[in-house]
Amino acid sequence: KQEVTQIPAALSVPEGENLVLNCSFTDSAIYNLQWFRQDPGKGLTSLLLIQSSQREQTSGRLNASLDKSSGRSTLYIAASQPGDSATYLCAVGVYGNKLVFGAGTILRVKS
Amino acid sequence: DTEVTQTPKHLVMGMTNKKSLKCEQHMGHRAMYWYKQKAKKPPELMFVYSYEKLSINESVPSRFSPECPNSSLLNLHLHALQPEDSALYLCASSQEDNTEAFFGQGTRLTVV
Repeated sequence: KQEVTQIPAALSVPEGENLVLNCSFTDSAIYNLQWFRQDPGKGLTSLLLIQSSQREQTSGRLNASLDKSSGRSTLYIAASQPGDSATYLCAVGVYGNKLVFGAGTILRVKS
Repeated sequence: DTEVTQTPKHLVMGMTNKKSLKCEQHMGHRAMYWYKQKAKKPPELMFVYSYEKLSINESVPSRFSPECPNSSLLNLHLHALQPEDSALYLCASSQEDNTEAFFGQGTRLTVV
């Protein structure tokens, strides 16, 4: 059974810092990995999708990497801003068209 | 347009009520999903529709009944729910199997 773990569970940083969020998964048989952002009480906003054959994806200040063989992904956020404060969820796409989510990292960027 | 629209945004229902949640997307996506998210927990898959056919039911109780009237619409019919069913219900869609998923803003359901 696929399990996804996100570290740290919570993170508080001053504005302007670069930061890394970590995601690990137990079964390397994945189709893709997707990073989402969720604001309190809201839905999920897709940030980046990495296909299983890819190593990296970038969008603006965000960069996500994937090492499928070791079961790890990182989300790098450059020059963090207070508006980046949210919960960040990592999810792996597995057989059966399912997304298996990690518990998330709660990020707070202080101004 | 990468929008998935869910209605209503909030719903309070009694345990004897029947209600429906609605989800709509106009991106031409062929896969649609229902997820349930309890407070401070990650979303959990309930149902998957692929090309308007139910492809996955994650052992969801029969008091939840999904329906896909056409490729743009997904409903979740609710009947005789329990207070523990209170949660954020999220709809998602993707172009095909295992491609990028887009989520709606969710329906906050409270069962009293």
